Amino acid sequence: NAGVTQTPKFRVLKTGQSMTLLCAQDMNHEYMYWYRQDPGMGLRLIHYSVGEGTTAKGEVPDGYNVSRLKKQNFLLGLESAAPSQTSVYFCASSSQRGLAGRNEQFFGPGTRLTVL
Amino acid sequence: GNSVTQMEGPVTLSEEAFLTINCTYTATGYPSLFWYVQYPGEGLQLLLKATKADDKGSNKGFEATYRKETTSFHLEKGSVQVSDSAVYFCALSGALNTGNQFYFGTGTSLTVIP
Repeated sequence: NAGVTQTPKFRVLKTGQSMTLLCAQDMNHEYMYWYRQDPGMGLRLIHYSVGEGTTAKGEVPDGYNVSRLKKQNFLLGLESAAPSQTSVYFCASSSQRGLAGRNEQFFGPGTRLTVL
Repeated sequence: GNSVTQMEGPVTLSEEAFLTINCTYTATGYPSLFWYVQYPGEGLQLLLKATKADDKGSNKGFEATYRKETTSFHLEKGSVQVSDSAVYFCALSGALNTGNQFYFGTGTSLTVIP
């Protein structure tokens, strides 16, 4: 049971390049999330998904796209990277069992992205 | 709106000192409250949680009590160790009409020196 995994762990991009970050979870969770973590700002939600084939915008969605074609995978895409997207990106997942808001989120180890 | 405010760091303590990290929240409805810990180079891990008022969450010597009257969820530990050095995040979930969305504080960095 690997939990939540993220690929790649590190990446350096030039401005304007594109890339996709992959998140995979093996806990059969319905909900998945993408966050970015910046110094002094905590975690900010980029996009999330409440189930296969569904996605929704979070707090800071501009410049990112996501897809959830399979329940276990949640992809985050940057179509044209900008230096402002330099950050550490975390994926998380959670179960929908029980009352809403009571289930913890499980986090991946993060992807450190630098855009030059 | 829904938000979490926690004390700014960094916090530096000597080993065996008492730790308090303050956390207050603003939320509609009856949220659950969480403390997460992030060790260097890793993702966040759940440390403890409380799902209703007056509940106390505890784990690894850390405790926090859900105080609805003061909208607080302060993290405490009686005797910190070097291995507790990490960043601690307070969070809430389950606010009215927000489902499972989490709201995180900005994090408090703790360094424990021998």
